[in-house]
Parts: sequence; C-alpha cells; structure tokens
Amino acid sequence: QSLLTQPPSVSGAPGQRVTISCTGSSSNIGAGYDVHWYQQLPGRAPKVLIYGNNNRPSGVPDRFSGSRSDTSASLAISGLQAEDEADYYCQSFDISVSGSWVFGGGTKLTVL
Amino acid sequence: QEQLVESGGGVVQPGGSLRLSCAASGFSFSSFGMHWVRQAPGKGLERVAFIKYNGDDTFYADSVKGRFTISRDNSRDTVFLQLSSLRADDTGLYYCARDFWRGPYNWFDPWGQGTPVTVSS
Repeated sequence: QSLLTQPPSVSGAPGQRVTISCTGSSSNIGAGYDVHWYQQLPGRAPKVLIYGNNNRPSGVPDRFSGSRSDTSASLAISGLQAEDEADYYCQSFDISVSGSWVFGGGTKLTVL
Repeated sequence: QEQLVESGGGVVQPGGSLRLSCAASGFSFSSFGMHWVRQAPGKGLERVAFIKYNGDDTFYADSVKGRFTISRDNSRDTVFLQLSSLRADDTGLYYCARDFWRGPYNWFDPWGQGTPVTVSS
C-alpha cells in the first residue's frame, strides 16, 4: 500500500476540468514536504509535470496546475485534451520510509 | 540534450543476478545524485536505490536492501545497479533518473527509457 493515496482512475470529456487527489499523512505532505506530479504517457517514461506543489516546468501548458493543503495535494487539468490521457503520479518525501522518497499509486486519466 | 540510456535488462531465473547500466549525456554527471526506480507490470513506481553525486552515500528501499547494490563511475558518466538473489516480484521496468534541484525543490528529471527485467524459471 502506498503512503500517498491516489484514485485509481478519473475520466472527463474533452474541454472539461478534472482533478486528481493525492492524500498523505503527517509523515509526508502533512510534515511540510513538497509534492511533485509526473505524467506517464502510454509506453513512455515518467516526466515531471508539476514541481514544488504548484510550479510548471517550461513547456508544460498552463492547463495543468497543482496545489497542496494540510496532508493532501491535487493536480487539476482544465480544457481536457485527448493527449492528456496518461497515468499521473504524485511524489513526496516521507520520514518513516527508508530513503524517504515515495510515490502515489498512480491515477489513470481517461479522456472520453 | 540531457539524456539517460539504460541497458543490461533481460530474463533471469529466480536467485540469479543482473547488472544494469545507465549512461548519461548532455549534463555534468558527477554533479548529480542518481536514482533507480522500478515499475512492475501494470503497477506504480517504486524508488529502489539512490547514490550521491560522489558515490559516498547510498540508500535502498527495504524491498531490495541486501540484494541490490548501486554504484557509479563518474569517469564514464554511468550509474549501475547490481541485482542479486532475484525474485519473481523484482520483475519490472527499471528506470534511472537524475536527482534534480531548482532552488528549494528537488525532483527526478530526466528519466531514461527503462530496461526490462524478467525473473522467471
């Protein structure tokens, strides 16, 4: 079981807005550690989408946004497009884990 | 262009060994820590090992501690993962990723394309 909990799947129609939650605890997000989000397109390696809770690397559209509050974080995708269909993972530190880095279980986004 | 290319994966019997390699290019390899992350078929991501930029410190997930060894050769811009006493649940795609910092933030970027490991008799 991952220490960061994500819904297994979310879906939305083109143009809609969807959010993906990442629920942690007092040993990770609640302890103040930053959250990063990765997008994994089918058959591809993960790529950072949001770093430091709400920062977009250059080249990532502003349709993608992140937030963090208390023991959870969220990724929001607005103006959904077919090419957004992918797996999304949150990542943070956890002080109870050897080596500290942990990932959420991943969320499969389906564009209807 | 910053790039990581893994190699060395394959099919191995339970109890066997493999040595994975990850060759870096396009950045100053000796300045960055490096991670190995694995993904079992249809499953999520698990960071299994990390090595500091100079090789002085290493970290392992509990699931691989005592069986896997991470090392690096900064003269060859390459990081290695030695897999031993392999089990069926070690099967998956193994990625290497750079430990990247920008200001106060630290994440994994870039990632390689992965090398597959299958443990089966």
